Amino acid sequence: AQRVTQPEKLLSVFKGAPVELKCNYSYSGSPELFWYVQYSRQRLQLLLRHISRESIKGFTADLNKGETSFHLKKPFAQEEDSAMYYCALSGQLGGYQKVTFGTGTKLQVIP
Amino acid sequence: DAGVTQSPTHLIKTRGQQVTLRCSPKSGHDTVSWYQQALGQGPQFIFQYYEEEERQRGNFPDRFSGHQFPNYSSELNVNALLLGDSALYLCASSLVRTLSRELFFGEGSRLTVL
Repeated sequence: AQRVTQPEKLLSVFKGAPVELKCNYSYSGSPELFWYVQYSRQRLQLLLRHISRESIKGFTADLNKGETSFHLKKPFAQEEDSAMYYCALSGQLGGYQKVTFGTGTKLQVIP
Repeated sequence: DAGVTQSPTHLIKTRGQQVTLRCSPKSGHDTVSWYQQALGQGPQFIFQYYEEEERQRGNFPDRFSGHQFPNYSSELNVNALLLGDSALYLCASSLVRTLSRELFFGEGSRLTVL
């Protein structure tokens, strides 16, 4: 079974403050982790994936297999970062992927 | 490229009825996955279709069924609707043989069961 846990439903930070959105996962195989984001009135879209090791819009996320975590971080929050963030895990079975999402964290950046 | 398109955008049904939701994947994609998103929850995986066959299935009853057509578009059917089936139904497309594994989502079909 694969499971993704996002413990915070809402995270409020002031503009310029650091952001950390928590994500923990459970998976018996080698996981592929993602962060998806949904801005107001837009569709769900990919923000970043762990295999790319890239920084998107200033966000980074490091896969920690020991702690089974994939926290999303940004050093300085901006108002346009306000959105719903979902952590997701892709598991493979027979060559086909099944992507499991967490319950999401709403990030609110206060001006 | 219009991306993933879903229809209808909103619909209202009564308990016991049946509903069909439709999805056209992003151009070039061959795989369609369906998700149910209840209010305040994350998307829950229903099933995935590739080459017109169901390849993976989540923890949903047999009342939920689907189909994929030769042009890769897909339908989600729900029989004997329950109040608890009220949700946003999301379609996501992808390429099965890609390193990217990125899902591209539609805007969803919001189903209300009365």
